[in-house]
Amino acid sequence: NAGVTQTPKFQVLKTGQSMTLQCAQDMNHEYMSWYRQDPGMGLRLIHYSVGAGITDQGEVPNGYNVSRSTTEDFPLRLLSAAPSQTSVYFCASSRRDPHLYGYTFGSGTRLTVV
Amino acid sequence: GENVEQHPSTLSVQEGDSAVIKCTYSDSASNYFPWYKQELGKGPQLIIDIRSNVGEKKDQRIAVTLNKTAKHFSLHITETQPEDSAVYFCAASWFSGGYNKLIFGAGTRLAVHP
Repeated sequence: NAGVTQTPKFQVLKTGQSMTLQCAQDMNHEYMSWYRQDPGMGLRLIHYSVGAGITDQGEVPNGYNVSRSTTEDFPLRLLSAAPSQTSVYFCASSRRDPHLYGYTFGSGTRLTVV
Repeated sequence: GENVEQHPSTLSVQEGDSAVIKCTYSDSASNYFPWYKQELGKGPQLIIDIRSNVGEKKDQRIAVTLNKTAKHFSLHITETQPEDSAVYFCAASWFSGGYNKLIFGAGTRLAVHP
């Protein structure tokens, strides 16, 4: 049981490049989310999904796209990277309602945009 | 919108002492308050949570208290050990856009010195 797996762990991008951050969970959790973590700002929600085929925006969605074609996978796409997207990104999953079951977080992807 | 303030931002204690981290929230409708521990290079891990119908909850050396009238909740760690050194995040639930979201505080870096 691997939990929540994120790849890659580290990535450096040039401004304007695109890339996909991968997230997979093997716990059959319905609910998945992407957060970014910046110094002094805690964790901020980018996008979330309450099940396969359903996604919606969080607090800071601009510049990011998501899709949820399967229960297991929830990739985050950066369309045209900007230095402001330099951050640590965490994927999290939960049973239906994270305020009843809490989140399980992945180990994060540290992204630097130069 | 919901806001969660967390204090202090850094906390240094001697091994065996107690540590207290405090959070305040703005939305009186919030009803779920989890605490996460993040060790270096890892994702946040849920360590304890409390719901609005409970004033205090304890799990071995950690406890959380909730004062709904004052809209604040606290994490208490007794008999601290070096392995308690980590960043701790509080969070509060907030119902918006059709689902429960979690709003995180900015984090407290706890250092326990032997």
